[in-house]
Amino acid sequence: AQSVTQLGSHVSVSEGALVLLRCNYSSSVPPYLFWYVQYPNQGLQLLLKYTTGATLVKGINGFEAEFKKSETSFHLTKPSAHMSDAAEYFCAVSLTGGYQKVTFGTGTKLQVIP
Amino acid sequence: EAGVVQSPRYKIIEKKQPVAFWCNPISGHNTLYWYLQNLGQGPELLIRYENEEAVDDSQLPKDRFSAERLKGVDSTLKIQPAELGDSAVYLCASSLVSAGGSNEQFFGPGTRLTVL
Repeated sequence: AQSVTQLGSHVSVSEGALVLLRCNYSSSVPPYLFWYVQYPNQGLQLLLKYTTGATLVKGINGFEAEFKKSETSFHLTKPSAHMSDAAEYFCAVSLTGGYQKVTFGTGTKLQVIP
Repeated sequence: EAGVVQSPRYKIIEKKQPVAFWCNPISGHNTLYWYLQNLGQGPELLIRYENEEAVDDSQLPKDRFSAERLKGVDSTLKIQPAELGDSAVYLCASSLVSAGGSNEQFFGPGTRLTVL
């Protein structure tokens, strides 16, 4: 069975500072990895995903994540935080091949301080 | 393209009352999911449909929860009777699952249920 661990339920950064949200996964085989963002009172929106190929994945809104197999990590970064980035972020993992259940982490709430 | 539609957005009921949630997935998506999201937690799968068939309902509390997806499009999730612990956000998602695909799921805005 696969799982994800998000380190830090709350992260605060200043506007313009680097955003780093941490995610470590556990999977018996190479997984698919996802980052979703959830704004207040809204559903989850896909930011980016890793399937195969390039390990540095670029997503929407200037976010990117790097798949590091040796570290079993898939951390989310953005060079410069914007006020509109304040939201909750979920890392998720699934196995590969056809349908596989997606398992979500517990989320990290990002606060951006002006 | 319209996204996943859910209604109602908010629902307040008293315990022991029934409640129903409705979901209309993205057109053409063959797979539909109902998730439960408690405060401060990630979504947890309740049930998954492939077309009309419920292929994974292992996490659905069948004593009080039921779901249906008639004609393989819209879906309804029902709770009867509701308990205080059912207060949460109920998310619907859909995807087009294919061999070799990544199962990217598209989520609706959710229904926030409060049981008093």
